[in-house]
Amino acid sequence: QVTLKESGPALVKPTQTLTLTCTFSGFSLTTTGMRVYWIRQPPGKALEWLARIDWDDDKFYNASLKTRLTISKDTSENQVVLTMTNMDPVDTGTYYCARNFDWFGLDAWGQGTLVTVSS
Amino acid sequence: ENVLTQSPGTLSLSPGERATLSCRASQPVGRNYLAWYQQKPGQAPRLLIFGASSRATGIPDRFSGSGSVTDFTLTISRLEPEDFAVYYCQQYGSWNTFGQGTKLEIK
Repeated sequence: QVTLKESGPALVKPTQTLTLTCTFSGFSLTTTGMRVYWIRQPPGKALEWLARIDWDDDKFYNASLKTRLTISKDTSENQVVLTMTNMDPVDTGTYYCARNFDWFGLDAWGQGTLVTVSS
Repeated sequence: ENVLTQSPGTLSLSPGERATLSCRASQPVGRNYLAWYQQKPGQAPRLLIFGASSRATGIPDRFSGSGSVTDFTLTISRLEPEDFAVYYCQQYGSWNTFGQGTKLEIK
């Protein structure tokens, strides 16, 4: 059974750095073709892809946010970490991590974690 | 960046009717790595279709996907009450963007 769960602060102040952790089970990020995504969703708005890390440690970022994002993995702990610098109120939303294996789409998602940016 | 544009923005239909949702890419989607997701309020998205036309595990056969290159369609053959939700398309692999969503509401 594949599960993912996001964790991190519910509230951050403007200009601070957000660190989110995705802890997963039921698969290994060392398996060829495996990837983990971070996606966010502002309240009432559409999904927005943020970053992706692959089994071979390749990393991909949303071009519009690239300078603020860093994604990394700890395969021994089954975790993927996303950091986002210089947080702003417009970054408020629900942050999800999700699993992709090869061509099968994002077939497993975490429940999401709501992050509010406010002073 | 490969932009995905979904239409219509809102679709108002009745249970039992057929729904047709469109997703158009500004550039070809490599290897037809195009997925459709359903999202209900307060829930994470759920994968419906991957590879443009393959149903994910446990998805009823009233959901079908078609299309290639830049034009893709999600069809729900006969709407059930639980199908009213927001639907997103996404390209994954080379690009990773989502469309802006189509809200399917009860007429």
